[in-house]
Amino acid sequence: GENVEQHPSTLSVQEGDSAVIKCTYSDSASNYFPWYKQELGKRPQLIIDIRSNVGEKKDQRIAVTLNKTAKHFSLHITETQPEDSAVYFCAVVSGGSYIPTFGRGTSLIVHP
Amino acid sequence: EAEVAQSPRYKITEKSQAVAFWCDPISGHATLYWYRQILGQGPELLVQFQDESVVDDSQLPKDRFSAERLKGVDSTLKIQPAELGDSAMYLCASSSDGTEETQYFGPGTRLLVL
Repeated sequence: GENVEQHPSTLSVQEGDSAVIKCTYSDSASNYFPWYKQELGKRPQLIIDIRSNVGEKKDQRIAVTLNKTAKHFSLHITETQPEDSAVYFCAVVSGGSYIPTFGRGTSLIVHP
Repeated sequence: EAEVAQSPRYKITEKSQAVAFWCDPISGHATLYWYRQILGQGPELLVQFQDESVVDDSQLPKDRFSAERLKGVDSTLKIQPAELGDSAMYLCASSSDGTEETQYFGPGTRLLVL
């Protein structure tokens, strides 16, 4: 089955700094890569996603990059704000099965 | 904005008892997922439905867990008997169909087994 590694497990930054979270995967047939934000006690919410035919996608302060050859993708958050503090999960969906595998999560702490 | 509904939000039970969780996906969503999320970890897929059919339940502990989606709309996840290690958040998610992978999560049911 798919193996997803997410790093770092904890990331602490100062407000205004950038944050980068990286995920690697094992199945070269994977074709969909969403990122979810989960605030304490709340449901995971999709913040950005990318498909395998695209190398980069940006939405305001959030961007995702995908390197299919190396089988890794990264979440980039610029100009971080305290409200960005949450746990971020990457996920990988294999083409055909639509079965998602999640990373273990990164706890992002943005200090004011 | 339509949302996935789950109930109950919290459940405390004693080990060896039976528990059941309910999920109502976003109207029109054909694909429904049940996940278990242990504190500090990512969601782990238990079972995936496409309409009323099970697509994948390879990670579902079938000796004690069961899931059904009889009419292809709402779904029930049951645990019988519950064990201490089942304490976790149980999340339901739905997506519009098998080709639309964006999932929308419900608020979850937090289970505590004593």
